[in-house]
Amino acid sequence: GQNIDQPTEMTATEGAIVQINCTYQTSGFNGLFWYQQHAGEAPTFLSYNVLDGLEEKGRFSSFLSRSKGYSYLLLKELQMKDSASYLCAVRADSWGKLQFGAGTQVVVTP
Amino acid sequence: GAVVSQHPSRVICKSGTSVKIECRSLDFQATTMFWYRQFPKQSLMLMATSNEGSKATYEQGVEKDKFLINHASLTLSTLTVTSAHPEDSSFYICSAPGGGGRYNEQFFGPGTRLTVL
Repeated sequence: GQNIDQPTEMTATEGAIVQINCTYQTSGFNGLFWYQQHAGEAPTFLSYNVLDGLEEKGRFSSFLSRSKGYSYLLLKELQMKDSASYLCAVRADSWGKLQFGAGTQVVVTP
Repeated sequence: GAVVSQHPSRVICKSGTSVKIECRSLDFQATTMFWYRQFPKQSLMLMATSNEGSKATYEQGVEKDKFLINHASLTLSTLTVTSAHPEDSSFYICSAPGGGGRYNEQFFGPGTRLTVL
């Protein structure tokens, strides 16, 4: 079967760093995506990894290890506006459809 | 660039009626679009893949006769929820792979909140 696992919730203080892990088992692999979703809104694209290694984009970084079926999203210098759900998604084929994990709710406290 | 719009943003209807949701790519062409459904505090579940010029491909467990998809042009896909019931109340979101070489990004519409009374 297909499985994408990520923690349900994480809490961190403003200015801190949080790492959200995602493990996946899918029938194929053609890229891993991270999205941010605020309540009641559509997801917004954060990052994309298809090769092993770290991709850095401002305060957000994403890492991928294909051999381990593992990725993480690193959020640095947390701000209150970063409180949201973070979705890990895998594209298993070339058609583009994504399979999403359940999402990790990040709560940033003052 | 690469904006996807949805209409309506919110709809409330009576049980048994049909509701049409439109998804448009505003500044790029999308031969493929995806329809997702999201229940409260749950993740996005793919319902179907909409293909311009051919039939939609539905995920296992999604009734194709209940959720009619029409990809009328390279910029428009519609999802019609037929004979809607309260259990169909959900957040419906469409997405499209970006154009202009941005295929690795999928752009989501703002979503449609459907409430069936």
